[in-house]
Amino acid sequence: GENVEQHPSTLSVQEGDSAVIKCTYSDSASNYFPWYKQELGKRPQLIIDIRSNVGEKKDQRIAVTLNKTAKHFSLHITETQPEDSAVYFCAAVLTGGGNKLTFGTGTQLKVEL
Amino acid sequence: KAGVTQTPRYLIKTRGQQVTLSCSPISGHRSVSWYQQTPGQGLQFLFEYFSETQRNKGNFPGRFSGRQFSNSRSEMNVSTLELGDSALYLCASRPLGGGGADTEAFFGQGTRLTVV
Repeated sequence: GENVEQHPSTLSVQEGDSAVIKCTYSDSASNYFPWYKQELGKRPQLIIDIRSNVGEKKDQRIAVTLNKTAKHFSLHITETQPEDSAVYFCAAVLTGGGNKLTFGTGTQLKVEL
Repeated sequence: KAGVTQTPRYLIKTRGQQVTLSCSPISGHRSVSWYQQTPGQGLQFLFEYFSETQRNKGNFPGRFSGRQFSNSRSEMNVSTLELGDSALYLCASRPLGGGGADTEAFFGQGTRLTVV
């Protein structure tokens, strides 16, 4: 089955710096890759997603890149702010394989003032 | 439109007991997935139900079971509770009615289960 690995598990950056979180997936047939943000005590919420026919997608300070050949995708947050502090989860969906949504183990991002 | 609702929010059970958790998806959503969240382990997939049928299952023991009703509401049951079952249990709903799987999953607030 699909396996998603996520690194790093914790990440501390200074306000205004960039943060990068990387994920790799095992099944080359996976074709949808969402990213979720979970603030303390709250439910995970989708922040950005990318499909396998696209190499990069941006939404203001957030961008996601996908390398299908290497089977990895990354989340990039620029000009980080304290409110970016949260746990971020990457995920992969194998359509046609039951559409199971498999998550990585999460990255605790801390943006320090 | 109401979001995903999970009940109860908090639960304390004794080792050996059983527990049932409930998840009401967003109206019109047919898929409900269940996840166990523990510190350091992320979101571990338990199972997914679609149109009252379990179509995906994670690597959890048979003590974990679930079902889905005709109105798409889902329940998760854990029998013979162990201390290690203490976790936040999240459910997520997706529409999945258009033939594609790449649709956003909406999470409930979760049920915090503590086994003592």
